[in-house]
Amino acid sequence: NAGVTQTPKFRVLKTGQSMTLLCAQDMNHEYMYWYRQDPGMGLRLIHYSVGEGTTAKGEVPDGYNVSRLKKQNFLLGLESAAPSQTSVYFCASRPGPGELFFGEGSRLTVL
Amino acid sequence: QKEVEQDPGPLSVPEGAIVSLNCTYSNSAFQYFMWYRQYSRKGPELLMYTYSSGNKEDGRFTAQVDKSSKYISLFIRDSQPSDSATYLCAMSAGSNDYKLSFGAGTTVTVRA
Repeated sequence: NAGVTQTPKFRVLKTGQSMTLLCAQDMNHEYMYWYRQDPGMGLRLIHYSVGEGTTAKGEVPDGYNVSRLKKQNFLLGLESAAPSQTSVYFCASRPGPGELFFGEGSRLTVL
Repeated sequence: QKEVEQDPGPLSVPEGAIVSLNCTYSNSAFQYFMWYRQYSRKGPELLMYTYSSGNKEDGRFTAQVDKSSKYISLFIRDSQPSDSATYLCAMSAGSNDYKLSFGAGTTVTVRA
């Protein structure tokens, strides 16, 4: 049972480049989330989804877009990367109420 | 002011000591309280989950919630080097609340 899988795990981008982070969960969870984690800031919610085909903005959505075309996948896109988007990105899922299951994280550096 | 405040530490204790961690919050609607443990370069994992006020014990871990003071605590007894991690508190208003509010995390090192 893989749980929540994020790809890629590491990526270096130049300012202005675009990329997509993929999150896949095999637990049939309805809710999926993208967070970023920065030193001293904790986990900040970027976007989330409460079901296939739905997305909503979190605390820090600017500069990011998401899509949930399939229930098991939640994609996070950066259209024009900026150095301020250097961070560790975590995907998480939950069945409804209760525990959030996190992926291992994706480390992104924007030069 | 952040909705959830957590002292980032770092906290360093000798093996066998009691570790005391806490968070304060401002939203009186919070009813569900969680503690997550995050090892270096890993994702957070749920450690304790409590509802409303009171205590919950699980092995060496005890979670306390004082809603009147808007204060939650996590105690680790007989701490081990394997407890070295960052501990994040999280909370939500309802069981179906889509979003959790996280503290910044406290980094704990248990010295052998």
